[in-house]
Amino acid sequence: GNSVTQMEGPVTLSEEAFLTINCTYTATGYPSLFWYVQYPGEGLQLLLKATKADDKGSNKGFEATYRKETTSFHLEKGSVQVSDSAVYFCALSEREARFGAGTRLTVKP
Amino acid sequence: SAVISQKPSRDICQRGTSLTIQCQVDSQVTMMFWYRQQPGQSLTLIATANQGSEATYESGFVIDKFPISRPNLTFSTLTVSNMSPEDSSIYLCSVVDAPGTDTQYFGPGTRLTVL
Repeated sequence: GNSVTQMEGPVTLSEEAFLTINCTYTATGYPSLFWYVQYPGEGLQLLLKATKADDKGSNKGFEATYRKETTSFHLEKGSVQVSDSAVYFCALSEREARFGAGTRLTVKP
Repeated sequence: SAVISQKPSRDICQRGTSLTIQCQVDSQVTMMFWYRQQPGQSLTLIATANQGSEATYESGFVIDKFPISRPNLTFSTLTVSNMSPEDSSIYLCSVVDAPGTDTQYFGPGTRLTVL
């Protein structure tokens, strides 16, 4: 069945550092791929998505590219801020969504 | 995207009781799902709420424990029955709001604590 493997962390960075959170997937078909973010005490928000190979999703300075050859969808940001501190979930969906374990990011001033 | 609300936002319940969680969407949606997020964990799909028919449950979840209703295209309920402390979790509903897409949007969640 479909599944997602995600770098679990936690990850602690200083402000303005470069962020990469790794995500790889296993799928029988051609799923859409997502990154969701959960800020402290809040619900789950869609951060970005990509629906086919080589698509790049981007939002709020975050980017991820759908790599079919490496079955990956790594999340990157060039310069993180304290306000980016949250838990990040990689997910895939062909109908219902399957989630990775989540990565807790803490950004220190 | 659809606006999703859940009631209650949180509750503290006694062992052996049941709680019904409501999910309301501001527009008709094609698909609705229920997820559980145990403390410090990721999201696990409980079931797909099918309009007008029985829900489709994932492995490890059964109708007797988690009965689900979906009477129309904007509303669903999840009941957590005969609760134990292991049921303490955040329960989230999600929707796919446009045919032919698979992007899910999530409600704010219901934080359940069972004593």
